[in-house]
Amino acid sequence: QVQLQQWGAGLLKPSETLSLTCAVYGGSFSGYYWGCIRQPPGKGLEWIGEINHSGGTNYNPSLKSRVTISVDTSKNQFSLKLSSVTAADTAEYYCASSRRYNGYDWDYYMDVWGKGTTVTVSS
Amino acid sequence: EVVLTQSPGTLSLSPGERATLSCRASQSVSSRFLAWYQQKPGQAPRLLIYGASSRATGIPDRFSGSGSGTDFTLTISRLEPEDFAVYYCQQYDSSLWTFGQGTRVVIK
Repeated sequence: QVQLQQWGAGLLKPSETLSLTCAVYGGSFSGYYWGCIRQPPGKGLEWIGEINHSGGTNYNPSLKSRVTISVDTSKNQFSLKLSSVTAADTAEYYCASSRRYNGYDWDYYMDVWGKGTTVTVSS
Repeated sequence: EVVLTQSPGTLSLSPGERATLSCRASQSVSSRFLAWYQQKPGQAPRLLIYGASSRATGIPDRFSGSGSGTDFTLTISRLEPEDFAVYYCQQYDSSLWTFGQGTRVVIK
């Protein structure tokens, strides 16, 4: 079954760039869209963006100016970069699948999740 | 952007009781694009329901989803101790995913 392993720096200073990498194991990389979601401490879930194996992306309009999601199909990995971080970007960051191809169409749900990476922005 | 509003914010119930969680959309949502997730402290969300009413793999049948248009419901028929958690609804529309703010189900 498909699994996600994620990693990235946990402590950043304001104005730095957050980097998160997610590796996909055990399944079809091209059969999914891959996305990033974050959750500030004690708060709800916020979708950041998604990418497919061809590099096509969709981003949350509220973060679009600072977000880049890229893909490396040779390694079955995708990566998130969020620039110019502030304390408001402190959150748990998750990698997840965001669509699954069922053989004839796409199913729209997130059924594969990474364990999360805690990112703190502090001077 | 479709805004999802979940109610109540907190639901206080006893094990064995029925839980009914509501998710209301600011505009009509295709059932195909409506999902529910459970999240426990320190864990990633877990998919429960997709397509508004289909249970994900391994989800017990005490969990059920219903609704259409702008009003969707997650029902837990008889609460088990492991069901006390936060529940989120989610939708996809126009290349954008949004989540509700969550309903916390706590032990009474």
